[in-house]
Amino acid sequence: DGGITQSPKYLFRKEGQNVTLSCEQNLNHDAMYWYRQDPGQGLRLIYYSQIVNDFQKGDIAEGYSVSREKKESFPLTVTSAQKNPTAFYLCATSRETDTQYFGPGTRLTVL
Amino acid sequence: AQSVTQPDIHITVSEGASLELRCNYSYGATPYLFWYVQSPGQGLQLLLKYFSGDTLVQGIKGFEAEFKRSQSSFNLRKPSVHWSDAAEYFCAVGLINTGTASKLTFGTGTRLQVTL
Repeated sequence: DGGITQSPKYLFRKEGQNVTLSCEQNLNHDAMYWYRQDPGQGLRLIYYSQIVNDFQKGDIAEGYSVSREKKESFPLTVTSAQKNPTAFYLCATSRETDTQYFGPGTRLTVL
Repeated sequence: AQSVTQPDIHITVSEGASLELRCNYSYGATPYLFWYVQSPGQGLQLLLKYFSGDTLVQGIKGFEAEFKRSQSSFNLRKPSVHWSDAAEYFCAVGLINTGTASKLTFGTGTRLQVTL
């Protein structure tokens, strides 16, 4: 079954903790993206990666980190430096300069 | 920098009525244009896209959109709305010729409510 999977669906974090959100794809797409969604603000780009071992900051990268060791995987770490991490996080993939396809999302809540 | 405006935050229509969701963009180059739909707690699903050619594009679920360069608009339409169309709709604009990654700028979304 092809597609994009994100895990976990719900994640709870205590103040001062780092947490990692998983994004996996079997679409053989080169590019992968992480977005943050807050009510009334649409989607904002955190990081994106065009190829393995390469990634670039998006518009709101502060407090986040990523890695791209495999084509299929693009995990996002929300660090303790991110002051307001409660949000819905969406992963997307694309083939070259083509349409982006989205995963089901992870809802992160800070306790 | 590019920007996307969806002027309607919330729209309510009756089932069976026609629908038009507005999208205006500010861009210095030829854009890629997209409409996505999102149900609560879910990811985004592509409805349709415009890259070039015919300015009236057809999408899934009976939706269509028209690219009007002179008005910098890409409005989404549906002739007869179904109750299952209730969701949030996002317009997005993408850069062309940026290597292998397509950076998108999203509007803030329009929430559609359908009354029976």
